[in-house]
Amino acid sequence: AQSVTQLDSQVPVFEEAPVELRCNYSSSVSVYLFWYVQYPNQGLQLLLKYLSGSTLVKGINGFEAEFNKSQTSFHLRKPSVHISDTAEYFCAARGTASKLTFGTGTRLQVTL
Amino acid sequence: AAGVIQSPRHLIKEKRETATLKCYPIPRHDTVYWYQQGPGQDPQFLISFYEKMQSDKGSIPDRFSAQQFSDYHSELNMSSLELGDSALYFCASSRTSASYNSPLHFGNGTRLTVT
Repeated sequence: AQSVTQLDSQVPVFEEAPVELRCNYSSSVSVYLFWYVQYPNQGLQLLLKYLSGSTLVKGINGFEAEFNKSQTSFHLRKPSVHISDTAEYFCAARGTASKLTFGTGTRLQVTL
Repeated sequence: AAGVIQSPRHLIKEKRETATLKCYPIPRHDTVYWYQQGPGQDPQFLISFYEKMQSDKGSIPDRFSAQQFSDYHSELNMSSLELGDSALYFCASSRTSASYNSPLHFGNGTRLTVT
């Protein structure tokens, strides 16, 4: 079974600054990794996914993530954040079973 | 593009009542998942269906049941509601027949409040 760890519950950052949201996973089998964003009172929107191939994946809204097998990490990055990026970000993993396992989420708070 | 549709968006029930949540997956998606998200919590997997058969089961209470119908929509039935059932309930769908690791697409959720 997979488990996903997001060590940072909250990340405050100023607008136009870079940001990295950390995600580590544990799995004994092949794993597929995802980042979802949740805006207040809304559903979960897929930001990006890693299934195979290039370890650097690009998603929507200027986000990207890098799959690092040796460090079992899948950190999310954006070079310059905007106020509208304020939201909850969930890292998720999926193995051979169909269900998606989520991390506990990281609240990204962007301020002026 | 069509998304996952959930109804109702909001639902208020009293303790011990029953509730039915509905989910309409994206067209041609054959797999439906139900998640429960408590306040300030991450989504917890409840149950999933593939081609109208239960495919996986998570932390779903015995008071809850679900099914997927011939048109692939799904319903989550909740009985003997408790205050702790108050949460945001998400449905997601994917097209497992295309790829078993295809991403899940989530609906906007049903906010259930039990008073």
